Parts: sequence; structure tokens; C-alpha cells
Amino acid sequence: EAGVAQSPRYKIIEKRQSVAFWCNPISGHATLYWYQQILGQGPKLLIQFQNNGVVDDSQLPKDRFSAERLKGVDSTLKIQPAKLEDSAVYLCASSLNGRGMYEQYFGPGTRLTVT
Amino acid sequence: AQTVTQSQPEMSVQEAETVTLSCTYDTSESNYYLFWYKQPPSRQMILVIRQEAYKQQNATENRFSVNFQKAAKSFSLKISDSQLGDTAMYFCAFMSDTGANSKLTFGKGITLSVRP
Repeated sequence: EAGVAQSPRYKIIEKRQSVAFWCNPISGHATLYWYQQILGQGPKLLIQFQNNGVVDDSQLPKDRFSAERLKGVDSTLKIQPAKLEDSAVYLCASSLNGRGMYEQYFGPGTRLTVT
Repeated sequence: AQTVTQSQPEMSVQEAETVTLSCTYDTSESNYYLFWYKQPPSRQMILVIRQEAYKQQNATENRFSVNFQKAAKSFSLKISDSQLGDTAMYFCAFMSDTGANSKLTFGKGITLSVRP
């Protein structure tokens, strides 16, 4: 079974530029998550999708971050414009269902550096 | 709001020995899940072990076991017979069992080094 795929793995941009990350979840997984992991901290949930609908985006900085999940499968996360404090690893995860009994599977992450 | 606290930033253990990683949490929920995740250097995060709060029996997975103290809101991970491959960051996490919209709340993590 293929795992969660993310691209790119690394990205370096200057502040005020835009960037987009892509995630392909495990086939059949209804729930998709984007997390932000700042160096030395645990992941923080940015947005959670159930199929192609948003169920939690309470911690997404909506003035600069946006995300979509097309046809309930792949997802993209965009930052426009980027700030220095956006430097982090962006993790995508998926699970069969959003309940705790179902394991969340994580992708390798995209390491973003904003200079 | 739920909080998860991991107060030890780093720990070190000799190969083949046992180590315990501590975690405390705060919640007003009665039904929830607790997790330990492992994040090896430059590798992706994987689930180590899960505990349902309604179960009194502590979860075990091979060399990994937990000590779940619900009243004290404590959830520690014990790694027996430590191996070099156990070197990683370990995150304690909480999820309330309120339905499909529940989210994981992570602690800050602890860096575990296994010495040969």
C-alpha cells in the first residue's frame, strides 16, 4: 500500500513570495490533515478535510494561507505572501475516518525556508 | 481546550536498557484517545502506540508499553530493550472522541538518543 505522498520535499523562497505544497493521501482515506511543525515543536493542525469539505480550519491564518482538496482526493496548501515565521515543515496526513480509532498516516513533509 | 505537556526535552539511554518518557495532559473530556508518535531524523512520523481512555488496561506493542493514569492525567511511554533504531523524537498526543471532527493535539516532543 502506497503511503502519503508530498511534494516538493524542500522549498526555499524569499519573504512575500508565494508557495504551494501538494499532498496525495492513501487511497480510500476520507480525512486529510495539514499540519505545521516549527523546529523544536510538535505539529499544529492547520486544516482538516472530510472528503472535500473543511471540518476544521480554526488555526489556519486565512489572510495568507489557503487550502483545497479537489474531488476529495489530492490537496494543495498555499501561502501567499510568505513571512519569515512560516519557515517550518508542513506535514500532510490521512486517515480512513477522523475518529481516534483510525490511525493517522503521515507523509514525509515539505521543509519550507523563508529568507 | 486540551493541552499536552512533555517537560523533558532530551533523554539518553544505553542500548538494551529501559527508558520511560513522561507526558501529562489536561482535558475536561471523559472519552478520548492518547497516542505516542515517533519521528526519526529526516523520516516521517509513525504511530507507536494508542490508548483509549475508557480502557483501564495499559496498551502494549512489543517493546513499547504505556502507564496510563487517568485520574492523574498522566501517560508515560516505556521502551524496553532499547535499540539504536529507537533514536528519534517522540511526541505525546491527545484526541477527544467527539466524532469525525476530532483533532490531534501534540506535545512539544522529546529527543531520545540510544547509545551503543
